[in-house]
Amino acid sequence: NAGVTQTPKFRILKIGQSMTLQCTQDMNHNYMYWYRQDPGMGLKLIYYSVGAGITDKGEVPNGYNVSRSTTEDFPLRLELAAPSQTSVYFCASSFRWEQFFGPGTRLTVL
Amino acid sequence: DQQVKQNSPSLSVQEGRISILNCDYTNSMFDYFLWYKKYPAEGPTFLISISSIKDKNEDGRFTVFLNKSAKHLSLHIVPSQPGDSAVYFCAARRQTNFGNEKLTFGTGTRLTIIP
Repeated sequence: NAGVTQTPKFRILKIGQSMTLQCTQDMNHNYMYWYRQDPGMGLKLIYYSVGAGITDKGEVPNGYNVSRSTTEDFPLRLELAAPSQTSVYFCASSFRWEQFFGPGTRLTVL
Repeated sequence: DQQVKQNSPSLSVQEGRISILNCDYTNSMFDYFLWYKKYPAEGPTFLISISSIKDKNEDGRFTVFLNKSAKHLSLHIVPSQPGDSAVYFCAARRQTNFGNEKLTFGTGTRLTIIP
């Protein structure tokens, strides 16, 4: 099993550009999550999903969108990138409370 | 409002000694607590957990203690090894209706094991 995979690993965006961060899991988990981690801070929940077709906002959803058309995939969309979105983004999945994380995407918005 | 707090941003411990990482929480509705370990350029990995109905859980060199009255938990690593150098996150789950399995994370403690 590959677990949770994320692409790309690194990305530099210009202000106002858009992009999609990809996340795939092969553990057949219903729950999936997107977090961001800023320096010296913990993980902040952006969006989560309890199953295909069902998503909900976390603590910091502004500026992001998600979709969950399949159990495996949970892409995160950034529209109109802003410098405040410079961060490391982690995707995770779980069956219950133990979450399994991907390796992260380091995003810089200049 | 930081519901899960790790007040020590960093900790240095001599190899072979005990490492103690602390975590405080404010929400009495949290019913499950987890510790995650994170190496640079990697995602967090699950280390150990404890249910709110227990006060201790042990897994090899790692033991987690929970003091519900004080809303405090701690992770003990004995003996500490160089490979334990990482950032450790405390996380807590609040019991809600089925279908909501969100965790609240602390800000992390960077543990450095000195050879």
